[in-house]
Amino acid sequence: GNSVTQMEGPVTLSEEAFLTINCTYTATGYPSLFWYVQYPGEGLQLLLKATKADDKGSNKGFEATYRKETTSFHLEKGSVQVSDSAVYFCALRGSTLGRLYFGRGTQLTVWP
Amino acid sequence: EAGVTQFPSHSVIEKGQTVTLRCDPISGHDNLYWYRRVMGKEIKFLLHFVKESKQDESGMPNNRFLAERTGGTYSTLKVQPAELEDSGVYFCASSQGGPRQETQYFGPGTRLLVL
Repeated sequence: GNSVTQMEGPVTLSEEAFLTINCTYTATGYPSLFWYVQYPGEGLQLLLKATKADDKGSNKGFEATYRKETTSFHLEKGSVQVSDSAVYFCALRGSTLGRLYFGRGTQLTVWP
Repeated sequence: EAGVTQFPSHSVIEKGQTVTLRCDPISGHDNLYWYRRVMGKEIKFLLHFVKESKQDESGMPNNRFLAERTGGTYSTLKVQPAELEDSGVYFCASSQGGPRQETQYFGPGTRLLVL
């Protein structure tokens, strides 16, 4: 079946630090992979996505590469800001149905 | 363009009572999804509508949950009778076009607390 395993939080960093949030998946077929972000008091927003192996999704300085050989989609940012403080969710969509499978979410707090 | 809206934003009810959550998708979006996040756990899929038809309801936990989407516009999710384990955040999402290709846009969620 389909599932997502995401690095447990919380993660606390100083501003300008490097961020990695690990995400690995199990899936049948050829899934699409996503990172969603939830800022305080708001809904989930799509941060980036990749639809096939070796694709790199990027947005707002965040990047993630779809690695089929390691079944991973790790989120990275070279220099985090206080405004990046949020909960980050890794998710996949399977080959046939539209439903998303989510990881547990990682709370990121960035201090000035 | 308005995003996905959900009502109410918060609801506190007692065990055994009934609660109805509402979701208004983005205008023109045929696909509507319900998800739920129980405290500290992953967001789990509940069901998927295509227009007014239930495409996939395999995530509905039991028959205390009833979802409708009359006319293919807004959707309601009713929990009757509510139990303690139903507490969590209920998210609605919508998308247009073929479900595989399109991004799902999420609402802010309804926070349900059953006492």
